[in-house]
Amino acid sequence: EADIYQTPRYLVIGTGKKITLECSQTMGHDKMYWYQQDPGMELHLIHYSYGVNSTEKGDLSSESTVSRIRTEHFPLTLESARPSHTSQYLCASSDQKRGLWTPRNTIYFGEGSWLTVV
Amino acid sequence: AQTVTQSQPEMSVQEAETVTLSCTYDTSESNYYLFWYKQPPSRQMILVIRQEAYKQQNATENRFSVNFQKAAKSFSLKISDSQLGDTAMYFCAFMKHAPVAITGANNLFFGTGTRLTVIP
Repeated sequence: EADIYQTPRYLVIGTGKKITLECSQTMGHDKMYWYQQDPGMELHLIHYSYGVNSTEKGDLSSESTVSRIRTEHFPLTLESARPSHTSQYLCASSDQKRGLWTPRNTIYFGEGSWLTVV
Repeated sequence: AQTVTQSQPEMSVQEAETVTLSCTYDTSESNYYLFWYKQPPSRQMILVIRQEAYKQQNATENRFSVNFQKAAKSFSLKISDSQLGDTAMYFCAFMKHAPVAITGANNLFFGTGTRLTVIP
């Protein structure tokens, strides 16, 4: 299995709370991603990063923010959680270099963080 | 924009039998990659198999093989000799190939998934 870890795995919080979902990888990968997945639906890319101090918004608009201060960490933060944020959040990283993809590159996923906002 | 469609929300197969999961996609790109990912219950999503669009030969990985029809924009996954450990959600995914580092390139677009259950 890939060395990419997400915490917490499951979280139930009240509306208005600030939360941070942690993601870390020990593979030295430059590129990292956050996907959002509602039950029974496809994964949507919400954030990605090419490396330290690089963050980009994905295809799905999200009220969350991310930071990339260290290569191995890519935390996602919701400043004020709402019930509409209830979802699964998947972190991933890939071994591509400098944004270039080759047929040998692979994307590795964490186990996901299930967030429920009540 | 790319779209990936998996028309079978759920499927089941008897152990040791063969099952085929369907996937179609829509793109105007000529060079791209296609993937099948497996997500077992409460476990990490892992890559099952990949196909490069410029390769005509269908990819094969042990019991897993694909039927890639570029003109029809179809990319089905065949699982032979199904095992109980194959029970999982299967996602088809598309990635546009960018020969240079362009922001936003080389990201995965996923389908809605097919839940496969292998019956003992």
